[in-house]
Formats: sequence, structure tokens, C-alpha cells
Amino acid sequence: GQNIDQPTEMTATEGAIVQINCTYQTSGFNGLFWYQQHAGEAPTFLSYNVLDGLEEKGRFSSFLSRSKGYSYLLLKELQMKDSASYLCAGVDSNYQLIWGAGTKLIIKP
Amino acid sequence: EAGVAQSPRYKIIEKRQSVAFWCNPISGHATLYWYQQILGQGPKLLIQFQNNGVVDDSQLPKDRFSAERLKGVDSTLKIQPAKLEDSAVYLCASARQAGGSYNEQFFGPGTRLTVL
Repeated sequence: GQNIDQPTEMTATEGAIVQINCTYQTSGFNGLFWYQQHAGEAPTFLSYNVLDGLEEKGRFSSFLSRSKGYSYLLLKELQMKDSASYLCAGVDSNYQLIWGAGTKLIIKP
Repeated sequence: EAGVAQSPRYKIIEKRQSVAFWCNPISGHATLYWYQQILGQGPKLLIQFQNNGVVDDSQLPKDRFSAERLKGVDSTLKIQPAKLEDSAVYLCASARQAGGSYNEQFFGPGTRLTVL
């Protein structure tokens, strides 16, 4: 079957760095998305990885290892506004997104 | 460019009643998705349209849910009759294309449905 695993909740301190991990099992693989979702709002796109390695975009970076079925989202210089859920979604052979349940990130001052 | 529009934003109904949601995707986006998101969970795909044709409706409870996308633009999702477990946020998303290596989905604000 197809499955996305990510931690349910994480807590970090303002100004610190946090890494949110995601492991995936999909039928075929055509990339992996990370979305941010603030409470009561729609998901918004953060990153897309299809090749191995690290993609950096400002304070946010996303890493992919296809051989390990593993990705992580790295958030640096955390701000209070980064408190949100972070959704990992794998793209299968039919280009369908297989969504994880999301990781709720709590930022403390 | 204007984003994905959805209405209503909130809806409260009693079980066994009917409800309909509307979505207007980003102009030029051929692919439209309806998702159900229960609190604390990731989005669950209900139905995917490519233009006005259905690509995937394998997880749509067809005994009570229906959706259409006339003329390949706007879409409506209907629930008839509603059950308590249908309480969720219904998200509409659109993408420029369904295939290819990059099909970022743009989400609307969602409709929060409460079934009493």
C-alpha cells in the first residue's frame, strides 16, 4: 500500500532550527511536496523535490533521498508565524498526491 | 492572478440534509481536485477532474456524494444526505496540468462543514 509517515507534533523555540522528517512508500515516485497549513487555512506550497539532495529556499530547505524513501523539511531562524502544520505529500506513478497527516509545529518564545 | 475561490466558507446543517459547495479554479488550470480534510488529518482526495472529465473518484462515497465540472471550469460538490461523519473542511485545489513532473496544487480557502 501507499503510506506517508511524519511525526504528529513537534515543539521548538523561536530563533532555533527544526527538522521535520517524512518517510514515504508510494507506487512509483514522481517527487515529494511540502505544504504549510496554518490553523483554519488552506495548505500553501513550500517545496517540491524529485532529485536527491537539498533544495534551499530562504529559511526553509527540503531534502530528499529516493533510495531511503525519506525527506525532511528544515526550518531555520524560527519565527512565531512558523507555528503551523507541515504536510508531506508523495507523488505516485499516476501523479496522484499521497498525503501525510501533517506535523503540527509549535513555536515557543 | 486570482486564486481558487470557494463558497460558502462555513455551513452548518443537520444530518440527512443536503448541501452543495462551489469552486472556481485558477483561470487556465485544467485539473481540479476536491479534498476532504478532517481535523488533525491530511487531505483525502475525493475526486479529480481533468477539464470536465473525471480522472479519479475512487474514494468518493458515491451513495451520498456527487460532483460535476460543467464546461471544464467551475465545479460543485454535493452531499445528499449528510451524515455526522461528513463534518470536515472541504478543500478545492487546481493545477495547471495533471501529468508531468511538477503539478503544484493551489488550494482555495475551504468550506468548513458542520453536521449536527
